[in-house]
Amino acid sequence: GAVVSQHPSRVICKSGTSVKIECRSLDFQATTMFWYRQFPKQSLMLMATSNEGSKATYEQGVEKDKFLINHASLTLSTLTVTSAHPEDSSFYICSARVAQGGMNTEAFFGQGTRLTVV
Amino acid sequence: GQNIDQPTEMTATEGAIVQINCTYQTSGFNGLFWYQQHAGEAPTFLSYNVLDGLEEKGRFSSFLSRSKGYSYLLLKELQMKDSASYLCALNDYKLSFGAGTTVTVRA
Repeated sequence: GAVVSQHPSRVICKSGTSVKIECRSLDFQATTMFWYRQFPKQSLMLMATSNEGSKATYEQGVEKDKFLINHASLTLSTLTVTSAHPEDSSFYICSARVAQGGMNTEAFFGQGTRLTVV
Repeated sequence: GQNIDQPTEMTATEGAIVQINCTYQTSGFNGLFWYQQHAGEAPTFLSYNVLDGLEEKGRFSSFLSRSKGYSYLLLKELQMKDSASYLCALNDYKLSFGAGTTVTVRA
């Protein structure tokens, strides 16, 4: 299957600093990428839909000024957690679908990023 | 909302069969995915149902009934490595996930 690479896999940062997470589709182009957050023993919660060349669409309750998303190319989307606080500590996962793949193509997931804010 | 419900936990013996149910309430969707997720890792694709009926892929099968708002994932000949969380997800281009069912396989 297609490969989505997410980096870093783990990051520890101090409260108040910003952290950038990268999501790359390695062998396919992804017009749209999705960013999820997962707290321990809970399901994946969609944070935002990242569209190449346009503004991201955020889910209700997600602060767009805190979680900055940039999708500058068909193979790269970034999520920046700004002014991170301990409550932002979570597992962040991106996923991507093949461009032109249609509605019924599976979503491929990155490896996830474990963020710990101290 | 889509109110996707799955049992929280299930335990089964190695070699046995386990059925994980997923019920939902939604007005429309393209299909239903099942993903497997090991602790601390990203989900991996297992199956996808668009039409009603059974889809079989080796030891895993998935069933969908749109009229009943119901799907299940059937795991046969359970192996220890099948211990994981299993997530059903409704596809309306965005994926909406259930809370996941943690399956523990015991020797």
